[in-house]
Amino acid sequence: KNQVEQSPQSLIILEGKNCTLQCNYTVSPFSNLRWYKQDTGRGPVSLTIMTFSENTKSNGRYTATLDADTKQSSLHITASQLSDSASYICVVSDRGSTLGRLYFGRGTQLTVWP
Amino acid sequence: EADIYQIPRYLVIGTGKKITLECSQTMGHDKMYWYQQDPGMELHLIHYSYGVNSTEKGDLSSESTVSRIRTEHFPLTLESARPSHTSQYLCASSPSETDGNQPQHFGDGTRLSIL
Repeated sequence: KNQVEQSPQSLIILEGKNCTLQCNYTVSPFSNLRWYKQDTGRGPVSLTIMTFSENTKSNGRYTATLDADTKQSSLHITASQLSDSASYICVVSDRGSTLGRLYFGRGTQLTVWP
Repeated sequence: EADIYQIPRYLVIGTGKKITLECSQTMGHDKMYWYQQDPGMELHLIHYSYGVNSTEKGDLSSESTVSRIRTEHFPLTLESARPSHTSQYLCASSPSETDGNQPQHFGDGTRLSIL
């Protein structure tokens, strides 16, 4: 069964600290892995997309890593800011259809305290 | 920022009413999607479209219907709303591409409450 599991479910950190969010998946075949940020009451916004051949990609203070062999990804946030408080969603796409079906994780709810 | 708009943002309505949730995008994207999202849960695909006059049901069974008469417009309709339809509905779009490595752009959603 194709699944995407994220951990932790929720996380609280102090402003300025770093954190790492985890994503494990069993989706096969694999096309790409995406990280989205979803602010409360808003739609998800794309942070990074990585294909099989990419093992790291950065977007400002966000750095995503991918290990396609172990089917694991992480999202590292550096020098956290209050505006980083959001849900971070891991999404994996397969190659099984023209649509490129997407499998969504439940997200990690990050809260940054001042 | 992506140019995809959902109307209304919030809707509270009684059981049995007909509801249409609007979604419009100005990016010329061929592919459009409707997702349902409950608090703390993953997004579930309920409808999608490859382009004009193309509509398909997604993974999650839904009593809603969609239409795609124009590229930019992808409305979702519930003929008779029930309390079980209470949820957040997210619309998304993406360009047609061959490598599948383009992000979906999401609207801010419609939070629907059926009394």
